Amino acid sequence: QVQLVQSGAEVKKPGASVKVSCKASGYTFTSYDINWVRQATGQGLEWMGWMNPNSGNTGYAQKFQGRVTMTRNTSISTAYMELSSLRSEDTAVYYCAREPSGNSVDYWGQGTLVTVSS
Amino acid sequence: QSVLTQPPSVSAAPGQKVTISCSGSSSNIGNNYVSWYQQLPGTAPKLLIYDNNKRPSGIPDRFSGSKSGTSATLGITGLQTGDEADYYCGTWDSSLSALVFGTGTKVTVL
Repeated sequence: QVQLVQSGAEVKKPGASVKVSCKASGYTFTSYDINWVRQATGQGLEWMGWMNPNSGNTGYAQKFQGRVTMTRNTSISTAYMELSSLRSEDTAVYYCAREPSGNSVDYWGQGTLVTVSS
Repeated sequence: QSVLTQPPSVSAAPGQKVTISCSGSSSNIGNNYVSWYQQLPGTAPKLLIYDNNKRPSGIPDRFSGSKSGTSATLGITGLQTGDEADYYCGTWDSSLSALVFGTGTKVTVL
């Protein structure tokens, strides 16, 4: 069965960076794009960008351009999302999700809580 | 500041039907497929509907989706207490080159 398992919760200080991992299993990792979506407490879903695990090509939401980097390690079927220059507004649960087409995501990771606090 | 607008909440009694609207524009819903997600409290979202009206394996036919012009609708029939959740629509926005989600709708079973 398809599974996306994310790394554990993080607490970071303002200005720091965080790197969240997403390990895929149950399918061919390089066959589907990985998207990252975040959700602040009590808020809606906010798309951050996508990465093609085969080519490494990426596309980022304009809001995160220059602050987010999405990478992968195909040998261990793992995708990464690194967000830099963290501020308190970045406190949220970050999800990775598999994309079968350009219009939807089907399987989601369990989420990683990132707390930014001094 | 989502580009897709949903009602904040809908409610109905067990066994009844609810519909959730999702309003967008020609750059998103008007020219792309719509998907719907269910998010139970404290859990990750789950895909309910993709390509406007298709259900993934395991999703009961109580859930249905439709699209007309720049709006889409999710229907839930035979409402159950386990359906209490937040529901989001989503689609690609060709102008933003971004996956966009709706503002979210909380379904309450009375």
